Amino acid sequence: EAGVAQSPRYKIIEKRQSVAFWCNPISGHATLYWYQQILGQGPKLLIQFQNNGVVDDSQLPKDRFSAERLKGVDSTLKIQPAKLEDSAVYLCASSLVPAARETQYFGPGTRLLVL
Amino acid sequence: RKEVEQDPGPFNVPEGATVAFNCTYSNSASQSFFWYRQDCRKEPKLLMSVYSSGNEDGRFTAQLNRASQYISLLIRDSKLSDSATYLCVVYNNDMRFGAGTRLTVKP
Repeated sequence: EAGVAQSPRYKIIEKRQSVAFWCNPISGHATLYWYQQILGQGPKLLIQFQNNGVVDDSQLPKDRFSAERLKGVDSTLKIQPAKLEDSAVYLCASSLVPAARETQYFGPGTRLLVL
Repeated sequence: RKEVEQDPGPFNVPEGATVAFNCTYSNSASQSFFWYRQDCRKEPKLLMSVYSSGNEDGRFTAQLNRASQYISLLIRDSKLSDSATYLCVVYNNDMRFGAGTRLTVKP
């Protein structure tokens, strides 16, 4: 079974530029998550989708971050404009149903460096 | 106070040692509990769920104390391959991760 795919794997940009990340979840997984993991910290949930609807985006900095999952499969996360403190690994995860006792499967992440 | 707190370590132990990690959480309404493992520069992977009665998976034992809002992970007979960061995760409408405890097992 194919896992969660993410691209690009690495991205270096200058502050105030824009950047977009792409995620393809495991086939059939209705729930998709975007996390931000800053060095030395645990992942922090940014947004959770159930199919193509947003379930939770309370920790998403909406002035600069946006995400969509138009057809309920792939998702993109955008940062516009980027700040230095956005340097982190952006992890996408998916699960069959919202995670209560259901395992979340993580992709390899996109490592972002903002200069 | 952080929602999920862990001792950051690092824990440096010899092969064969027994090591225990602790985690506390602040939200008494939390519903589910997990330990994830994250290797250096890799994504987190589920190690085990944590049940109220305690549960064991080979050399790994997880325990939950709801009254004290405390979760533990015990690793017996440590292997070199156990070297990783162990993330305590608490679920209450969404997953909240601790910062992780780093373990290095040395020959």
